[in-house]
Amino acid sequence: GQQLNQSPQSMFIQEGEDVSMNCTSSSIFNTWLWYKQEPGEGPVLLIALYKAGELTSNGRLTAQFGITRKDSFLNISASIPSDVGIYFCAGQRNAGNNRKLIWGLGTSLGVNP
Amino acid sequence: DADVTQTPRNRITKTGKRIMLECSQTKGHDRMYWYRQDPGLGLRLIYYSFDVKDINKGEISDGYSVSRQAQAKFSLSLESAIPNQTALYFCATSGVNNQPQHFGDGTRLSIL
Repeated sequence: GQQLNQSPQSMFIQEGEDVSMNCTSSSIFNTWLWYKQEPGEGPVLLIALYKAGELTSNGRLTAQFGITRKDSFLNISASIPSDVGIYFCAGQRNAGNNRKLIWGLGTSLGVNP
Repeated sequence: DADVTQTPRNRITKTGKRIMLECSQTKGHDRMYWYRQDPGLGLRLIYYSFDVKDINKGEISDGYSVSRQAQAKFSLSLESAIPNQTALYFCATSGVNNQPQHFGDGTRLSIL
């Protein structure tokens, strides 16, 4: 099935550093979503983006809906150990009743205290 | 209390057994989904339902069936389990239009 290109696949950083990850697609999306998954839990929604060019923050997290509608970025500032987890992007088209999400494969983040 | 509850959380069973995974939600959402997650493959959609009378196949529906018993309940069945169905299974729900999906905490299924 179709998937988004999410990068990097994994990263390991020092506490306090900023982090950037992104998702790209050859297709246009109307909605971009960013989720975080911790061990033993389901993905939890971090940020939802609904408009091209939109920049939205949630605490130390900031995400942007690319102007071409084919990409999205997630930044985490001043990372802390509890940021550890797998971050997933997901795109959605709003064509008719097709509300299925297209998922990236995730970015695994490790934070060294 | 969790808004999306999956049972059981863990299950180990043998090849050929029939398995049912349950999902219930208190969010009042019409739309429910079943995914499986495998290392390196991300989340793949098995089945989805937009209301009680609606059932749709996802990208990997072979070997699975579902039942939408009520707005709040959506169950996934493996009629004759096989080892390559060993995975982490997630249920999700969403409201109408383009509201985001909300996930349960998953069922870890191992088939020996």
